[in-house]
Amino acid sequence: NAGVTQTPKFQVLKTGQSMTLQCAQDMNHEYMSWYRQDPGMGLRLIHYSVGAGITDQGEVPNGYNVSRSTTEDFPLRLLSAAPSQTSVYFCASLGTGFTEAFFGQGTRLTVV
Amino acid sequence: RKEVEQDPGPFNVPEGATVAFNCTYSNSASQSFFWYRQDCRKEPKLLMSVYSSGNEDGRFTAQLNRASQYISLLIRDSKLSDSATYLCVVTAGYSTLTFGKGTMLLVSP
Repeated sequence: NAGVTQTPKFQVLKTGQSMTLQCAQDMNHEYMSWYRQDPGMGLRLIHYSVGAGITDQGEVPNGYNVSRSTTEDFPLRLLSAAPSQTSVYFCASLGTGFTEAFFGQGTRLTVV
Repeated sequence: RKEVEQDPGPFNVPEGATVAFNCTYSNSASQSFFWYRQDCRKEPKLLMSVYSSGNEDGRFTAQLNRASQYISLLIRDSKLSDSATYLCVVTAGYSTLTFGKGTMLLVSP
């Protein structure tokens, strides 16, 4: 099983550029989410989705956009990259029952 | 007040030591509790769920005190391979996971 596939692993952007981080899961999980992890800050929720067509904001949504057209995919879009968005990004999916969250391998993003 | 708070760490212990991590949460409606492990530059992975009655998995024991809104993780006979950051995670029903900042454990020979 692939679990959660997140791409790319590394990315360098210039300020003002846009990009999409891809996340796909093959476990038929309804719940998917995006986190960013910064030193000393822990994992902070950016956006989440409880099913296809349903998304909502988390703790730090500004500068990011998401959509959930299928159960499998939950891409994260950076609209106009800023140095403050330099971080490690993780996608996660969770089935009903909340027995375990599965994470993608992470994307290390640097905005210069 | 941060929703989930953990010991700041790092904890430096010798092999074979017993080490305990503490975690408190502020949302009394929280329903599910977990400990995750995160190795350097990797994704978090589930270590164990935490049940009201307490639960054990080999050298790891987790405890939950709902009245005090407190969770603990005890690691006995520490191994070098236990070196990692341990994340306390709480969720309130069909909602988001809330993470503590994590406590780093360094086990030395």
